[in-house]
Amino acid sequence: ETGVTQTPRHLVMGMTNKKSLKCEQHLGHNAMYWYKQSAKKPLELMFVYNFKEQTENNSVPSRFSPECPNSSHLFLHLHTLQPEDSALYLCASSQDRAGNTEAFFGQGTRLTVV
Amino acid sequence: AQKITQTQPGMFVQEKEAVTLDCTYDTSDPSYGLFWYKQPSSGEMIFLIYQGSYDQQNATEGRYSLNFQKARKSANLVISASQLGDSAMYFCAMREPLYNNNDMRFGAGTRLTVKP
Repeated sequence: ETGVTQTPRHLVMGMTNKKSLKCEQHLGHNAMYWYKQSAKKPLELMFVYNFKEQTENNSVPSRFSPECPNSSHLFLHLHTLQPEDSALYLCASSQDRAGNTEAFFGQGTRLTVV
Repeated sequence: AQKITQTQPGMFVQEKEAVTLDCTYDTSDPSYGLFWYKQPSSGEMIFLIYQGSYDQQNATEGRYSLNFQKARKSANLVISASQLGDSAMYFCAMREPLYNNNDMRFGAGTRLTVKP
């Protein structure tokens, strides 16, 4: 139990579907992150929220839309995805964005786009 | 450009032996943090150890130690007395306040297999 919970664990969706990934943390952390992990590529930082405000959007296509309604929850809304978007999507949180602060990760959502 | 380099895609080690996983990094920031994570097949990233750029001593956490060579910009992870449960992907990561807003960036990872 890491304190960061992601649902669903697995998701298969068609290219015309709309779905959402959910991340929840009850660690009292102020920063939350979405990462994408594709095969044979380093983890890619997608979005960063700090005190519920989005602070980073690393050139992520608009078919990915994040939402942070409160400090404990983070969503990633998906629509009209492409097969190359199939990957493991990892949510993480940290106390803050200081240089010595480790991030705590969820177990990820394995997404397959068909 | 990739700032964190893990040159070993895969490593094998005999159970109970020690193994070193390499990590080199590139930064102009005088203050930065280095991290190692373990990712078993379940997918979860597990934090192992942290080293600050100003720390004088190498970090240690149980069987994990970090061989920090600042001048060479390397932060190798040493796992002593390997166990079968150590088989996993291992990632080196860095936070840089000036160039990446302190957001954590990762290397490509090394897959470690522990042989019985």
